[in-house]
Amino acid sequence: GQQVMQIPQYQHVQEGEDFTTYCNSSTTLSNIQWYKQRPGGHPVFLIQLVKSGEVKKQKRLTFQFGEAKKNSSLHITATQTTDVGTYFCAGPYRQAAGNKLTFGGGTRVLVKP
Amino acid sequence: DAGITQSPRHKVTETGTPVTLRCHQTENHRYMYWYRQDPGHGLRLIHYSYGVKDTDKGEVSDGYSVSRSKTEDFLLTLESATSSQTSVYFCAISSPRGGPYNEQFFGPGTRLTVL
Repeated sequence: GQQVMQIPQYQHVQEGEDFTTYCNSSTTLSNIQWYKQRPGGHPVFLIQLVKSGEVKKQKRLTFQFGEAKKNSSLHITATQTTDVGTYFCAGPYRQAAGNKLTFGGGTRVLVKP
Repeated sequence: DAGITQSPRHKVTETGTPVTLRCHQTENHRYMYWYRQDPGHGLRLIHYSYGVKDTDKGEVSDGYSVSRSKTEDFLLTLESATSSQTSVYFCAISSPRGGPYNEQFFGPGTRLTVL
């Protein structure tokens, strides 16, 4: 079945530094979504990418969808303590009713002040 | 945040007992989902619903059943709880507005411990 993998599983970042987390799918995706979950909280939708090669920015966060629509990345610049949490990517099941998503295992971001 | 509540928020139960978790939404969204979240496994889909009385299995459905008799409520039942079902359970909703795929909105979660 469809698999979505994220690396790294953990990311320790010094405050102020940049980092990138990666998402890879075993199948071509029609779109990819990113979610953030703060410690003790619930996942919250961040963004959806649809087009091949698409790049979207949200302040210090830059999201990219690969040309082959099988991978994606999230780059955070000048990391802040507010960036702490787990970032998930998710892709839709193919030919399935109900907006089903397959989630990656997540990248847990820890920020050192 | 979307109008999604889950009850109970915390529950401790014993192996072999039945447990029902409730998800309630006020958004009138068509699709509802139950996930479990465990360390190292991200979010895994248990069951989902694409309409009243229309449900289907997800990737980890063994030991779980669901029911949806009203648009706003989606129940998850553990017929006979086991320690392997200790987890955090999230309900989510989404709407097919404007296209085939749209974001999911998550409830606050239920932390279930099976002793």
